[in-house]
Amino acid sequence: AQTVTQSQPEMSVQEAETVTLSCTYDTSESDYYLFWYKQPPSRQMILVIRQEAYKQQNATENRFSVNFQKAAKSFSLKISDSQLGDAAMYFCAYMGGATNKLIFGTGTLLAVQP
Amino acid sequence: DVKVTQSSRYLVKRTGEKVFLECVQDMDHENMFWYRQDPGLGLRLIYFSYDVKMKEKGDIPEGYSVSREKKERFSLILESASTNQTSMYLCASSRHGPLRGYGYTFGSGTRLTVV
Repeated sequence: AQTVTQSQPEMSVQEAETVTLSCTYDTSESDYYLFWYKQPPSRQMILVIRQEAYKQQNATENRFSVNFQKAAKSFSLKISDSQLGDAAMYFCAYMGGATNKLIFGTGTLLAVQP
Repeated sequence: DVKVTQSSRYLVKRTGEKVFLECVQDMDHENMFWYRQDPGLGLRLIYFSYDVKMKEKGDIPEGYSVSREKKERFSLILESASTNQTSMYLCASSRHGPLRGYGYTFGSGTRLTVV
């Protein structure tokens, strides 16, 4: 069965600095999708960034980028120029190529210090 | 603005009550999901549905059932609420087929407390 592991329960970053959140996954599939979701205190889960496994190029969305290492089964999220509004719980998630189900990690709580 | 709406933000129920959590989406999505979120455990899938009147068990279906009579509505039912079902419940929807790779749209969650 596929699993998603986030080994950092909590992280902290200074405003304007860069932080990297780690995520590893386990799968035997070759076709899949990976996601990072943000959950602020309002509880609304927001899609931050997505990556298709067959694409070698790392996805980027403004200040958010990923480091996708398919062989190592690693999918880390880098947040550049951190802002106070980035403070939230971040979840890494996996979707297999033949399914509609998202499998989530346990989350990383990011604090941003002014 | 597209939306997934959960009928209650907070609920307090008594042990043994039958509890209904409602979720409605306005995006004409085929797939709908119910997750439970607990600290340190992330989100765990309870049930999901690919189509009207279709349902499949997720990873933790015990103590829950679901109903999908219309495409836009997916209800989670706690037949006899217990204190270990105190949790945050998140509803989500997504497209079927290749568009599923664009991920889910989530509701704002229902925090249920069973006393």
